[in-house]
Amino acid sequence: GAGVSQSPSNKVTEKGKDVELRCDPISGHTALYWYRQSLGQGLEFLIYFQGNSAPDKSGLPSDRFSAERTGGSVSTLTIQRTQQEDSAVYLCASSLWGPGSRDEQFFGPGTRLTVL
Amino acid sequence: SQELEQSPQSLIVQEGKNLTINCTSSKTLYGLYWYKQKYGEGLIFLMMLQKGGEEKSHEKITAKLDEKKQQSSLHITASQPSHAGIYLCGADMSPNDMRFGAGTRLTVKP
Repeated sequence: GAGVSQSPSNKVTEKGKDVELRCDPISGHTALYWYRQSLGQGLEFLIYFQGNSAPDKSGLPSDRFSAERTGGSVSTLTIQRTQQEDSAVYLCASSLWGPGSRDEQFFGPGTRLTVL
Repeated sequence: SQELEQSPQSLIVQEGKNLTINCTSSKTLYGLYWYKQKYGEGLIFLMMLQKGGEEKSHEKITAKLDEKKQQSSLHITASQPSHAGIYLCGADMSPNDMRFGAGTRLTVKP
């Protein structure tokens, strides 16, 4: 069956440019999560959505990062004026209910972002 | 510093050997998850542990959560090349706060 998909799979951009990363969750999943994995680091929580709202934005590293989710489905993570330290693999996950229910999260393959 | 300490960072074993990966927290965990990651395939959920002393097995992989719910170990018996990848532990530090370890890169030599 269809899992979580992300696009693009790879993105190379120049410092200062804006980028948009897309996540298509599993159909029917109400919760959607964005994480970032930098080289040698663990997964860093960025933001999660319950439906279209984001109860927890605490993980966004700066105001250059924003995310939205429309129709309770697709989500876009936008990074403005990219910096080299933004280079990482950005992972998206979805789950049926949400973190409080501790149900399983299904992860996408990630988008590898390289900022030159 | 990581709230979840995972060890070792990397591991190289000969095919057929057993191995153990550890995940430790200074806080009591609400839930502990083990994932495996292969590049381009995203994370694959392996097991979830919630109760102190709980142990789960799937094929040749066994995961345990200690009684205090602060440490978990992942044990692979008779490793195979297909076990190679990055193993990540994740934990609910609180109902709405999930953290991950830094991962263990496993290489299995044929």
